[in-house]
Amino acid sequence: QSVLTQPPSASGTPGQRVTISCSGSSSNIGSNYVYWYQQLPGTAPKLLIYRNNQRPSGVPDRFSGSKSGTSASLAISGLRSEDEADYYCAAWDDSLSGPWVFGGGTKLTVL
Amino acid sequence: QVQLQESGPGLVKPSETLSLTCTVSGGSISSYYWSWIRQPPGKGLEWIGYIYYSGSTNYNPSLKSRVTISVDTSKNQFSLKLSSVTAADTAVYYCARHFPLDYLDVWGKGTTVTVSS
Repeated sequence: QSVLTQPPSASGTPGQRVTISCSGSSSNIGSNYVYWYQQLPGTAPKLLIYRNNQRPSGVPDRFSGSKSGTSASLAISGLRSEDEADYYCAAWDDSLSGPWVFGGGTKLTVL
Repeated sequence: QVQLQESGPGLVKPSETLSLTCTVSGGSISSYYWSWIRQPPGKGLEWIGYIYYSGSTNYNPSLKSRVTISVDTSKNQFSLKLSSVTAADTAVYYCARHFPLDYLDVWGKGTTVTVSS
């Protein structure tokens, strides 16, 4: 059972906009930044979004992040086949669960 | 550009200690946290713990009793020891650079460790 809750799966068709949610609590998302990672099959995770909504250089602006209260979302617009991957949210946690926690991951399928 | 490489045995017997080393190249191990993360087959990511270059550590509470992370700044390496392993510890183990109170950015490619007799 992950501290941060994500839907196990999401899907969309090419060109569509999809969102992936991440639900936490006051000790993690509610009081700290949220980060998102993309894991392509057979590879190590890659930082996609940091500090709620910042993109590292090289990450397309099709990817965006937002946070409200104890929840966060990752949005992918103009969906492409190469976006098919697992996506994980993460945050620092000030409770006994921490200090760093991941969500359970969401498998995105491009139909 | 900083690169990380995990190394260690791919097979560990139940009840024994899993030992892995992460070598940092292209940059200094100083001024950052260095984390270990694992991923059981077909499952999600689990943060194991981190060490600061000075030697201070912080571990996942669920693994704390079995985990030791150490650092050797002279070799630009940090290491993971996980004791009393069971089949549930079978996973891909990643090392990664962790900015203090911020993100994991650079990851190793991961190494698969199987716990089996």
